[in-house]
Amino acid sequence: EAQVTQNPRYLITVTGKKLTVTCSQNMNHEYMSWYRQDPGLGLRQIYYSMNVEVTDKGDVPEGYKVSRKEKRNFPLILESPSPNQTSLYFCAIGRDGNSPLHFGNGTRLTVT
Amino acid sequence: GESVGLHLPTLSVQEGDNSIINCAYSNSASDYFIWYKQESGKGPQFIIDIRSNMDKRQGQRVTVLLNKTVKHLSLQIAATQPGDSAVYFCAESLYGQNFVFGPGTRLSVLP
Repeated sequence: EAQVTQNPRYLITVTGKKLTVTCSQNMNHEYMSWYRQDPGLGLRQIYYSMNVEVTDKGDVPEGYKVSRKEKRNFPLILESPSPNQTSLYFCAIGRDGNSPLHFGNGTRLTVT
Repeated sequence: GESVGLHLPTLSVQEGDNSIINCAYSNSASDYFIWYKQESGKGPQFIIDIRSNMDKRQGQRVTVLLNKTVKHLSLQIAATQPGDSAVYFCAESLYGQNFVFGPGTRLSVLP
């Protein structure tokens, strides 16, 4: 069974303090992606990666960075978090870009 | 639980009845569609998918219908159970690029 592990589950931080949310998978899937979920706006894609060293912007990439140095990990980096990045974040994986996504259980981020 | 469902439309059904959840998708060229279920405190969970070359697909207690003429997707749940209470999302994609998710519908199963 596909397992997507996000850490931490909850994070409270202050404006400007760099943070990283980790995502790892146990399926050797090529496709990994980050979403944020906000009330009234649904799930919006931040970045995605089709394979190692290949990353692309989604719909809302501003203020975020990602890296895909190895297949199993896809960290989300906020270099200088701001309060408008307070949200619920999900990492998702797929066999490829045209297959069902499997989601992690989310990271609740609060930026004060 | 998480507050993602604050502004969602809600469908209330009696336990044992059938549920129909609707979704209007945005891109007439989208070729792949998925329904997800999200329970409080969890990530979205895959339910069923359908490709654009199909009109209907059935799973266990669920059926997805695709009407490309009006860009409409529906999820039918037979004999709805309390465990079906959740938020349901549709998602569309084109050529494997960037899934776009609908706003979601909250399903509430009444005893």
